[in-house]
Amino acid sequence: DAMVIQNPRYQVTQFGKPVTLSCSQTLNHNVMYWYQQKSSQAPKLLFHYYDKDFNNEADTPDNFQSRRPNTSFCFLDIRSPGLGDAAMYLCATSRDRAGEQFFGPGTRLTVL
Amino acid sequence: AQSVTQPDIHITVSEGASLELRCNYSYGATPYLFWYVQSPGQGLQLLLKYFSGDTLVQGIKGFEAEFKRSQSSFNLRKPSVHWSDAAEYFCAVGFLIQGAQKLVFGQGTRLTINP
Repeated sequence: DAMVIQNPRYQVTQFGKPVTLSCSQTLNHNVMYWYQQKSSQAPKLLFHYYDKDFNNEADTPDNFQSRRPNTSFCFLDIRSPGLGDAAMYLCATSRDRAGEQFFGPGTRLTVL
Repeated sequence: AQSVTQPDIHITVSEGASLELRCNYSYGATPYLFWYVQSPGQGLQLLLKYFSGDTLVQGIKGFEAEFKRSQSSFNLRKPSVHWSDAAEYFCAVGFLIQGAQKLVFGQGTRLTINP
């Protein structure tokens, strides 16, 4: 089945130690999104790629970066995680700019 | 600025009872509106969406929602809930920006089902 896959499902890192979260899709969608969802809160968009074009939300911390080496894969890099970065990170894709977004299962990040 | 309000943080209903989850939005133009469901520790699943046309929208799992422009509302309904409907429900408004559709979510409503 075509889907959005996130690895790992659970990630533990230490304060200040860089971490990378992975998202892949078999849907061949043009747009990929990264959301942050803190406990008991709504998902919040961090950034998105439309093909190779990267778009950062104005309030996304500089600590967060993303890479999209090809259509199928997108990575979220957190350069120096703080305790406040502990959250569920959700990846989503859409076929085109106005299309429905399909979400992956998420990666829960714990920062010790 | 675009925003979504879900007034009810937590709702409890009995299995078999009807359900209505409220959602109000703020957006200057005709909105794209969505309802998503999230089970614990899982991603979001789209229940239904409204882009244009018929204001009563049918979704998956027996859910429906009605867009009321005059009230800026997009309430979710189900005539008879099942225990498996227990989850977190998010209403969202979508708008196009910088080559993609940005979703702004409400705070969510947690649904508990009593047996």
